[in-house]
Amino acid sequence: EPEVTQTPSHQVTQMGQEVILRCVPISNHLYFYWYRQILGQKVEFLVSFYNNEISEKSEIFDDQFSVERPDGSNFTLKIRSTKLEDSAMYFCASSEAGGVHGYTFGSGTRLTVV
Amino acid sequence: ELKVEQNPLFLSMQEGKNYTIYCNYSTTSDRLYWYRQDPGKSLESLFVLLSNGAVKQEGRLMASLDTKARLSTLHITAAVHDLSATYFCAAHTGTASKLTFGTGTRLQVTL
Repeated sequence: EPEVTQTPSHQVTQMGQEVILRCVPISNHLYFYWYRQILGQKVEFLVSFYNNEISEKSEIFDDQFSVERPDGSNFTLKIRSTKLEDSAMYFCASSEAGGVHGYTFGSGTRLTVV
Repeated sequence: ELKVEQNPLFLSMQEGKNYTIYCNYSTTSDRLYWYRQDPGKSLESLFVLLSNGAVKQEGRLMASLDTKARLSTLHITAAVHDLSATYFCAAHTGTASKLTFGTGTRLQVTL
């Protein structure tokens, strides 16, 4: 079964450093998303991406965050200057047709900011 | 702004028992999703409910959607230990391409 692949699985970074989280969505999917989950809490939407541009973003997704699809397969989330409160599990997801057939989530990247 | 609430937040039940998890959402939503999450793991898709009155079943789990009441339920029949996990519902709105997740229900099935 097709999977959404995320790397790395765990990243530890110092406060103020830049991090890039990487995702390879399912190849025939057109819609891409980033969500995050702070430990023990619910899953929160960050951003959606379609046709090479952001289609929606949440209040969490401020100027410190950016997304990019640098080639035909990767989808990245960059945090420019990490804060302690950015520590969370970050999930990438993709969907074929805006979610009518469901969304597939990756295994996540656990980001720890120290 | 769409809000999604689940109850209960925590559910401890014995093997063999039945129970229902409720998911209420605050504004019109055209689709409702259920996910399962094991500790430290990703979100596993369980059900996609696309219309009012939709009912889907997989094994011991059955999900339904009532868009008029803005309510979805996840019914567990004759629970087994392997069902222990956190279950999330998530609502989708037609004008957005995002999911709004509920608070999650942590299910613990005891032997």
